[in-house]
Amino acid sequence: SAVISQKPSRDICQRGTSLTIQCQVDSQVTMMFWYRQQPGQSLTLIATANQGSEATYESGFVIDKFPISRPNLTFSTLTVSNMSPEDSSIYLCSVGRVNTEAFFGQGTRLTVV
Amino acid sequence: AQSVTQPDIHITVSEGASLELRCNYSYGATPYLFWYVQSPGQGLQLLLKYFSGDTLVQGIKGFEAEFKRSQSSFNLRKPSVHWSDAAEYFCAVGGTGTASKLTFGTGTRLQVTL
Repeated sequence: SAVISQKPSRDICQRGTSLTIQCQVDSQVTMMFWYRQQPGQSLTLIATANQGSEATYESGFVIDKFPISRPNLTFSTLTVSNMSPEDSSIYLCSVGRVNTEAFFGQGTRLTVV
Repeated sequence: AQSVTQPDIHITVSEGASLELRCNYSYGATPYLFWYVQSPGQGLQLLLKYFSGDTLVQGIKGFEAEFKRSQSSFNLRKPSVHWSDAAEYFCAVGGTGTASKLTFGTGTRLQVTL
């Protein structure tokens, strides 16, 4: 298993600003992912955070809006840039190793006003 | 592309009654299948997983699921529901080699009446 710490747990932000979310894992993991869960919706994969290289984004998500860093095997950040109310969601970090299940952080509940 | 369908958006059962939540998947090879539960304001907790082998898998909290390749299904069951089981349930599929990269279904919200 893996213990994941995600910060902040929640935030209220002004439109046009940016928020960086941190994901820290208690052990080295191969895979790290970022998901978005819009209100009342399921989880949608934003991107795979690649250690030491650019993240791999899913269709509909772009680096300019959701820049991601992963400097090592235990840490990643997701930035939500130039926020609008439509970005109000829960953002979740998940981790896994090759052919193992995914473990999730508690999520960051973002409200944009 | 892989996909997951959960036909039931909302289910209500009485405490003590049995439960079955449906999940159908689309994937070109043998999938990795998961059920997660999300309680209000909480993260996702893994209930059970199927990677290979016995098609009936046991999970936590008394849940089980059966993988049926012929029906592309992975339905979740519990013989007797407790009020604390009220939550959102997500079925997910992971790909070979990247089991932890998940595609989620739309979720089923379970309400338990006393």
